[in-house]
Amino acid sequence: GAVVSQHPSWVICKSGTSVKIECRSLDFQATTMFWYRQFPKQSLMLMATSNEGSKATYEQGVEKDKFLINHASLTLSTLTVTSAHPEDSSFYICSARIGTSGDTGELFFGEGSRLTVL
Amino acid sequence: GQNIDQPTEMTATEGAIVQINCTYQTSGFNGLFWYQQHAGEAPTFLSYNVLDGLEEKGRFSSFLSRSKGYSYLLLKELQMKDSASYLCAPMDSNYQLIWGAGTKLIIKP
Repeated sequence: GAVVSQHPSWVICKSGTSVKIECRSLDFQATTMFWYRQFPKQSLMLMATSNEGSKATYEQGVEKDKFLINHASLTLSTLTVTSAHPEDSSFYICSARIGTSGDTGELFFGEGSRLTVL
Repeated sequence: GQNIDQPTEMTATEGAIVQINCTYQTSGFNGLFWYQQHAGEAPTFLSYNVLDGLEEKGRFSSFLSRSKGYSYLLLKELQMKDSASYLCAPMDSNYQLIWGAGTKLIIKP
């Protein structure tokens, strides 16, 4: 299957700093990528839909200025957690779908990034 | 509203068969996915059903009844490595996956 790579896998940072997480589709072009957050023993929560060359679409309750998403190319989307606080500590996962938006294509997930804010 | 209902946790014995049920309510429907998620890892794709009936793929099979808003994942010849959470995720009319909390499956020797 297609490969989505996410980096870094683990990151620990101090409160108030910013952290950037990268999501790359290694062997396919992804016009649409998705960013999720998952707290322990809870379901995946969609944060935003990242569209190449345009602004991301954020889910209700997700702060656009805090979670900056950039999808500058067909193989790379980045999520930057700005001014991170301990409550932002979570497992962040990206996924990408082969094909154009609206296709019922399979989602391929990155490995996830575990963020711990001290 | 949109809703997913799966058992929180199930226990089964190695070598046995287990069925994980899922009922759902969504705004529109464009198929249903099952994903496996091991602790601390991202989900991996297991199956996709868009038509009624049973889809078999090796030890795993998935069933869908659109009229009943019901799906199940059947795992045969259980192995210890099958211990994981299993996520039922229907796709709504906007092609968004709706995620539940999943079913934690514990396999005992």
